[in-house]
Amino acid sequence: DVKVTQSSRYLVKRTGEKVFLECVQDMDHENMFWYRQDPGLGLRLIYFSYDVKMKEKGDIPEGYSVSREKKERFSLILESASTNQTSMYLCASSFWTSGRADTQYFGPGTRLTVL
Amino acid sequence: AQKVTQAQTEISVVEKEDVTLDCVYETRDTTYYLFWYKQPPSGELVFLIRRNSFDEQNEISGRYSWNFQKSTSSFNFTITASQVVDSAVYFCALSNTGKLIFGQGTTLQVKP
Repeated sequence: DVKVTQSSRYLVKRTGEKVFLECVQDMDHENMFWYRQDPGLGLRLIYFSYDVKMKEKGDIPEGYSVSREKKERFSLILESASTNQTSMYLCASSFWTSGRADTQYFGPGTRLTVL
Repeated sequence: AQKVTQAQTEISVVEKEDVTLDCVYETRDTTYYLFWYKQPPSGELVFLIRRNSFDEQNEISGRYSWNFQKSTSSFNFTITASQVVDSAVYFCALSNTGKLIFGQGTTLQVKP
């Protein structure tokens, strides 16, 4: 079974803090993704990575950065958290198959509240 | 532009009823994948099915079935004899390069 884990299910931070969200997958997937999910806006892609040390911006990268030093781990960083970053954050991973990313498998999500 | 539309925001049924969740997509690509995911109250998105654009065969898996029709750009999902455990948000998604484009989701409530 594919397993994607995220470091925290719930997180409360203060405005201006630096926040790290960690994601680990155990399936040797090449691709990893970070989404945020908000009521009425659905799921939106923040960043993705198709290889170690590689990253691509998604649809809403502003205010976020990422790090992928090892294949199995993909970190989302909020350099200076703001209240509008209060959201559910979902990590996913997939293989790279025949020139495209394959089925994405998701972690349990981290519900971040910024006060 | 690529787009996925799930017109049903919320559906409420009584246990054992059949229910169909609609999904309509837009893409100019000839090669693409369609997906359904389930998000129970716990929050994790659970993969249910993937269909590629060249395979229009309907799929059945237990109480779940999927109807893919390219002519109407639809990929509908039917739950037969619904159960309380089916209560969740269901997302339809489209992909060609591997980036997923999600619909807004349909919240299904199955009442006992």
